[in-house]
Amino acid sequence: NAGVTQTPKFQVLKTGQSMTLQCAQDMNHEYMSWYRQDPGMGLRLIHYSVGAGITDQGEVPNGYNVSRSTTEDFPLRLLSAAPSQTSVYFCASSYGTDDSPLHFGNGTRLTVT
Amino acid sequence: GDSVTQMEGPVTLSEEAFLTINCTYTATGYPSLFWYVQYPGEGLQLLLKATKADDKGSNKGFEATYRKETTSFHLEKGSVQVSDSAVYFCALETLSGGYNKLIFGAGTRLAVHP
Repeated sequence: NAGVTQTPKFQVLKTGQSMTLQCAQDMNHEYMSWYRQDPGMGLRLIHYSVGAGITDQGEVPNGYNVSRSTTEDFPLRLLSAAPSQTSVYFCASSYGTDDSPLHFGNGTRLTVT
Repeated sequence: GDSVTQMEGPVTLSEEAFLTINCTYTATGYPSLFWYVQYPGEGLQLLLKATKADDKGSNKGFEATYRKETTSFHLEKGSVQVSDSAVYFCALETLSGGYNKLIFGAGTRLAVHP
């Protein structure tokens, strides 16, 4: 059982470049989300999805796009990377109901120079 | 809006010492409360939870009691081990747009030395 799989683990981008962070889960979870983790700020919600074809913004959505074409996959796109997007990104999923804890991937460490 | 405040770290302890990590929250209603743990190089894992006032969550020797009167959910362990070294996050669950979302505190790093 793979759980939540994120790729890549590390990435370095130049300002203005674009890239997609991949997230896949094999638990048939309806709810998927992206967080960024910055020192002293905990985890902040970027975007989330409650099912295929449905996405919504979280606390810090600017500069990021998402889509949810399948239940399993929830990619996060940076269209034009900025140094302020240097962070560790976590994907998480759950059944989205009470008593359904979030399952996290191992994270992607992104550096934008 | 809803928020979570944790004590700042790092917390440095010797093995077998008593651990307390403070967590207080601000929320409307009575949210479920959680502690997550993050070991080096890994994602967060659920450590324990409590869903109503006076509930005590426990796991792996860690405990936390949901205190409505003080809006607190402090994490405790009677005797820490080196393997407990990690970052600990307090979180509350809030209902937004019809779905449950988690709001996290800033995290507290714990370092346990032999």
